[in-house]
Amino acid sequence: QQQVKQSPQSLIVQKGGISIINCAYENTAFDYFPWYQQFPGKGPALLIAIRPDVSEKKEGRFTISFNKSAKQFSLHIMDSQPGDSATYFCAAGGGGGADGLTFGKGTHLIIQP
Amino acid sequence: GAVVSQHPSWVICKSGTSVKIECRSLDFQATTMFWYRQFPKQSLMLMATSNEGSKATYEQGVEKDKFLINHASLTLSTLTVTSAHPEDSSFYICSAPNRVNTGELFFGEGSRLTVL
Repeated sequence: QQQVKQSPQSLIVQKGGISIINCAYENTAFDYFPWYQQFPGKGPALLIAIRPDVSEKKEGRFTISFNKSAKQFSLHIMDSQPGDSATYFCAAGGGGGADGLTFGKGTHLIIQP
Repeated sequence: GAVVSQHPSWVICKSGTSVKIECRSLDFQATTMFWYRQFPKQSLMLMATSNEGSKATYEQGVEKDKFLINHASLTLSTLTVTSAHPEDSSFYICSAPNRVNTGELFFGEGSRLTVL
């Protein structure tokens, strides 16, 4: 599998602040870039996803920024809340995601009240 | 939205026994399902791709004789861990793409296997 590099490994943000997680990929054939949120003991849940034809996608407090030339994408969580504390995984895949995904190593996010 | 269900959610077995985990797509048909393994505080690693009507495709380093995959129907894939050992203890997660609608990949809740 092609590698997807994710940083930081862990992140502590104050309530109300902006959480930023970054990912970089290698395979230019990837055309689907989702972010997943995972709570302990649960399967990952799709948070937001972007395709390479747009540079930004926003859904509520969550925004993905995508830089195709740099092969990088990032997740921004605005007005971070304690309930956002979880592990976040970026992923990338081809076939619009239907060909399977390669995951980043994850970011453990803690929002301090 | 599309739902993928796994069963059992957790299982404890003795070393040397076999364990079967089921993955079902509840409201859509899935010709392909993916099986991932996740060790504590680590990322999801793709184990194999389950294909309805044909053999599964395994990732490099995954023993196909140990992790048996059967895609019995368009809504069911099973993973059998044969002759389980303590090092097989992990969180196994399946996923399926909803090709009819958005092509997004939906994940099950996972199955935690503990081998004693």
